[in-house]
Amino acid sequence: AQKVTQAQTEISVVEKEDVTLDCVYETRDTTYYLFWYKQPPSGELVFLIRRNSFDEQNEISGRYSWNFQKSTSSFNFTITASQVVDSAVYFCALSEAGDYKLSFGAGTTVTVRA
Amino acid sequence: DTEVTQTPKHLVMGMTNKKSLKCEQHMGHRAMYWYKQKAKKPPELMFVYSYEKLSINESVPSRFSPECPNSSLLNLHLHALQPEDSALYLCASSQGRTPGTDTQYFGPGTRLTVL
Repeated sequence: AQKVTQAQTEISVVEKEDVTLDCVYETRDTTYYLFWYKQPPSGELVFLIRRNSFDEQNEISGRYSWNFQKSTSSFNFTITASQVVDSAVYFCALSEAGDYKLSFGAGTTVTVRA
Repeated sequence: DTEVTQTPKHLVMGMTNKKSLKCEQHMGHRAMYWYKQKAKKPPELMFVYSYEKLSINESVPSRFSPECPNSSLLNLHLHALQPEDSALYLCASSQGRTPGTDTQYFGPGTRLTVL
């Protein structure tokens, strides 16, 4: 069975600091997909990124960047120069090809203080 | 456009009431999902519909009854709920051509309170 671990429960930073969220996953499948979602206080889960198991390229999108390392089964997420609007719960998730189920980590609450 | 809409946004109901949650998407997605999320927890999968047929029921109590009238709509009928069913109910959709390979897009959720 797949499993996603987000060891950091809460992170609090001051605006403009960088923050890195850790995600470690377990799966026996060779084909799988990793996701990050953002859930602001309003409740909607906002899709941020999807990575498949065959693509280890790191990705940058504005202030967001992702580091995928199969060797350590990690898919970490960094917010550069954080802003108050980045305050939210961030979920890492994993799905395996052939299975509709999306396994979520416990989530990391990020609070950015002005 | 990656929009999934849900109505109502908030719902308060008594344990003897019957109510329905609605979800709609116009992205041509063929898989639709219901999740339940309690405070400070990740979403938990309840049901999956694929091409308007129920594919997954995660042993959800029968007081929750899903319905998929067409490829754009997903309903969740509620009856005789318990206070512990109070939660955020999220709907999601995905392309659905190959399970597990595509992105699930979520709606804003319905915050349900059972008195």
